[in-house]
Amino acid sequence: DAGVTQSPTHLIKTRGQQVTLRCSPKSGHDTVSWYQQALGQGPQFIFQYYEEEERQRGNFPDRFSGHQFPNYSSELNVNALLLGDSALYLCASSLDEQFFGPGTRLTVL
Amino acid sequence: AQTVTQSQPEMSVQEAETVTLSCTYDTSESDYYLFWYKQPPSRQMILVIRQEAYKQQNATENRFSVNFQKAAKSFSLKISDSQLGDAAMYFCAYRSTYSGTYKYIFGTGTRLKVLA
Repeated sequence: DAGVTQSPTHLIKTRGQQVTLRCSPKSGHDTVSWYQQALGQGPQFIFQYYEEEERQRGNFPDRFSGHQFPNYSSELNVNALLLGDSALYLCASSLDEQFFGPGTRLTVL
Repeated sequence: AQTVTQSQPEMSVQEAETVTLSCTYDTSESDYYLFWYKQPPSRQMILVIRQEAYKQQNATENRFSVNFQKAAKSFSLKISDSQLGDAAMYFCAYRSTYSGTYKYIFGTGTRLKVLA
C-alpha cells in the first residue's frame, strides 16, 4: 500500500500565477481533504471532497478550488497567487481515520 | 467555533525520560474526537493517538498515553521512555462528530527535542 501520495514535492511560482497540486489517496479511501500549513503553524482546513463534490469548505477565498476524480484522486488549484500563499499543502485521505501525504512545499516569489 | 490551543511552543526531554505535552480546546459540543499527530522533519503527519470524547478511559498506544479531562477541556500527551526518534512537531487536533462537519482543527504545535 503506497499510502497517500502528493506531487510535486516542491514548487516555485511567482505572484499572479496559477498552480495545481495533486493527491492520490490511500487505497480504499474515498474522501480527500486539503490543508494549508504555513511555517510554524498548524494545518488549516481548506476543503474536503467526497463523491467528486466539495463537501465542506474552510475559510479560504474562491481563488482556492479543487476537484476530485472518479478514481478518488484530487487536485487543488490556486489562482492569482499571493506571497502569503507560500506554505506546505497537505492532502489527507480517509474512510474514517485521516492519513496524510508528505505535502507539497509551495514558494511564491 | 471550536479552537485548539497548545501553549508550549517547544519542549525538551532527556532520552529515556518522560515528557508531557499540553493541549486545551474549546467547544460547546458534547461528542467529538481528539487526536495527537506527530510531524517529523520529513513533513509527513502521522497519527499518534486518538480519543473519543464519550469514552472516559484514557487512550494508550505503547509508550504514548493521554490524560483526557473533559470538564476541563484538556487533552495532554505523555511520552514515556523517550527515544531520539520521538523528536518532532506534535499537533493536537479536534474533530466534531456532528453530521456535515468533517474538518480537523489543529493547534499551533509543540516542537519536542530529545536530548541524548
